[in-house]
Amino acid sequence: EVQLVESGGGLVQPGGSLRLSCAASGFTFSDYWVTWVRQAPGKGVEWVANIKQDGSAEYYVDSVKGRFTISRDNAKSSLYLQMNSLRAEDTAVYFCVRDNCYASGACYGDYWGQGILVTVSS
Amino acid sequence: EIVLTQSPATLSLSPGERATLSCRASQSVRNFLAWYQQKPGQTPRLLIYDASNRATGVPARFSGSGSGTDFTLTISSLEPEDFAVYYCHQRARWPLPFGPGTKVEI
Repeated sequence: EVQLVESGGGLVQPGGSLRLSCAASGFTFSDYWVTWVRQAPGKGVEWVANIKQDGSAEYYVDSVKGRFTISRDNAKSSLYLQMNSLRAEDTAVYFCVRDNCYASGACYGDYWGQGILVTVSS
Repeated sequence: EIVLTQSPATLSLSPGERATLSCRASQSVRNFLAWYQQKPGQTPRLLIYDASNRATGVPARFSGSGSGTDFTLTISSLEPEDFAVYYCHQRARWPLPFGPGTKVEI
C-alpha cells in the first residue's frame, strides 16, 4: 500500500524556518517525481515545488523561490522541504504527493499524504 | 507563466443532473491537464489525466475533454458523493498551477 506521511509542521514566527519531511513507503521511491502542494485554510490547492527522481532537477512556484528548497534522500525514501524566511501567507497544510508518469510523458499526482499544518504567526 | 481559470465558481445542481465544468488556460497546455476532486476534510483525488483519461477506479460518469486552452469535465449524472470541489491542474510547463476550483453543491 502506498503511503506518504508528512512531519515537521507547527507554529513558527514570521522570518523563521521549518523543515518538512515526508516518509514514503509501498513503492520504489526513486522511480518517481515527488511534489509538495499546499492549501491555505479555506482556500484552493497550490503547487509549491517538485523534484526529479534522482534529484537532478527541481522546480518552484515563484512565491517561494529563494526561500524554499526541495530535496530527497532515495536511500531513506524521504522527501524534504526546507522553508526559510517564512511569511504569514505561507500558512497552509502542506501535502507530499507522488507523481505518476503516464505514456504521454506527463506526470500527475496520484497519491497524496494527509498533510501537515504549518502556521506562521507571531 | 500559465494561468488557469475555472468556471463557474459554484455550480448548484441536484442528484441525477448533468454537471459541466470548464477550465481555461492562458496559453496552450496541449492535453497535459488533470482534474481533481476534493471533498471536505479529504485530500484531492485524481480523476482525469491527459485531459480525457480516467484514473484508476474513477466511475465512468466522469469524463474529460478538450485540448490546447479549453477543457471540460463532465459528470453525466450526479451522485450524492460527487458534491465536492473540482480543480484543474496543468502539467505542460513549470510552474504547475492549479485552477481556483469549482464547487459543485446541492
